[in-house]
Amino acid sequence: GAVVSQHPSRVICKSGTSVKIECRSLDFQATTMFWYRQFPKQSLMLMATSNEGSKATYEQGVEKDKFLINHASLTLSTLTVTSAHPEDSSFYICSAEPGQSNSGKLFFGSGTQLSVL
Amino acid sequence: EDKVVQSPLSLVVHEGDTVTLNCSYEVTNFRSLLWYKQEKKAPTFLFMLTSSGIEKKSGRLSSILDKKELSSILNITATQTGDSAIYLCAEAGGTSYGKLTFGQGTILTVHP
Repeated sequence: GAVVSQHPSRVICKSGTSVKIECRSLDFQATTMFWYRQFPKQSLMLMATSNEGSKATYEQGVEKDKFLINHASLTLSTLTVTSAHPEDSSFYICSAEPGQSNSGKLFFGSGTQLSVL
Repeated sequence: EDKVVQSPLSLVVHEGDTVTLNCSYEVTNFRSLLWYKQEKKAPTFLFMLTSSGIEKKSGRLSSILDKKELSSILNITATQTGDSAIYLCAEAGGTSYGKLTFGQGTILTVHP
C-alpha cells in the first residue's frame, strides 16, 4: 500500500527558533498534501492544503506567515513553523492523496511531536 | 461551516463487551464519511461510507451510514484490549478526499 513518510518524529526546540517538518509520499505522486494539527486529547484540525507548484491554501485562523508550506515536488511537502513559541507545541501530521485515487483511503504520515521550550 | 460530532467522548468497557460509537454530521456538500482508528500516531483507515444503509464489515468491526439522519455508527463486538484507541469520524466534503473535517473522537478503553 501507499506509504507517507514524515520526519522528524519528534523535535524539541527553544522558543524563537524555526522548525521544518517533511512529508514524503514514497511510492506515489501526490499533487495535494494536507497538514493537520492535533492538541492533546483533541481531534485533528486541518491547517492547510499543500498544492504542488502553487501556493498553499490555509484554513481560517491559521497564520500563513507562521506556518510556511512548500510543495516543491510531487513527493515532498514541508511545513516550517517559524519563530516557534510554546503555544505551537502540538502534534503535526500530514496526509497525502494519490493523484488517481478515489478510494477515500487517505494515507497519513506518522506525525511530528513538536515541543517548544 | 461543516461540523462532525461524535459521542460518547470516552467509553470504558471490559473485554468481550460490544460497543457502539456514534457520529453525526452537518455538511454542505457531503461526499463520504470515514472512520479511523488512532492508537499513538497516524490514524489508520477503517471504513469509508458513501451509501446509506449498506453495512461495511471488517472482522469484529462494522459501520453503517444513515443519510436521512445524517449519522453513522461504528460497532465493535467482543472487544479486546487491543481495541483501546481513539476512534475518529471524518467527513470528506468538497472535491478532495484529503480535506477532512474530523469529529472530536471517542476514546475507547478496554479493560481485561
